[in-house]
Amino acid sequence: AQSVTQPDARVTVSEGASLQLRCKYSYSATPYLFWYVQYPRQGLQMLLKYYSGDPVVQGVNGFEAEFSKSDSSFHLRKASVHWSDSAVYFCAVSANSAGNKLTFGIGTRVLVRP
Amino acid sequence: EAAVTQSPRNKVAVTGGKVTLSCNQTNNHNNMYWYRQDTGHGLRLIHYSYGAGSTEKGDIPDGYKASRPSQENFSLILELATPSQTSVYFCASGGTGGAERLFFGHGTKLSVL
Repeated sequence: AQSVTQPDARVTVSEGASLQLRCKYSYSATPYLFWYVQYPRQGLQMLLKYYSGDPVVQGVNGFEAEFSKSDSSFHLRKASVHWSDSAVYFCAVSANSAGNKLTFGIGTRVLVRP
Repeated sequence: EAAVTQSPRNKVAVTGGKVTLSCNQTNNHNNMYWYRQDTGHGLRLIHYSYGAGSTEKGDIPDGYKASRPSQENFSLILELATPSQTSVYFCASGGTGGAERLFFGHGTKLSVL
């Protein structure tokens, strides 16, 4: 079965600083990979997804992620964070052919300090 | 924008009671999902459905039933609620294409006393 590890439960950064959130996945073949964000008192929203092609994928609000098959990773990055980026970020993997039965990591809570 | 609506937003239930959580989507998506979110576990899949009349067990189905009477509606049923089922429950819908994004509702906070 597939699994996702997000090693950082909480990350605090200053506004304007760069951000990287780590994600490691476990699956024997090439999976579908996603990053979702959850703002306070809301459901999850997709930031970006990857299945094949260019290992660097662009998402909404300036986020990007890089897939590495050799490292089994799918790290999320943003060059300059804003206070509104404070949220919980979830990495997710799907291993079925339809790419729609997701296994989520435990999430990383990001706090952006003004 | 795709819409997934959950009801109720908050629910307090008694141990041993029956609880039904409802979800409605206007996206015309075939696939619908129920997840629960707990600190330290992220989101875990309880049940899902590929269309009206179908339900499938997810990763943690014990103690839960699901019902998909129509394309739009997907319910999660706790026949005998227990305190361990206190959680936040999310419904989501998604298309059938590869790597389709999921659209989530705002969640239902359930407390079983």
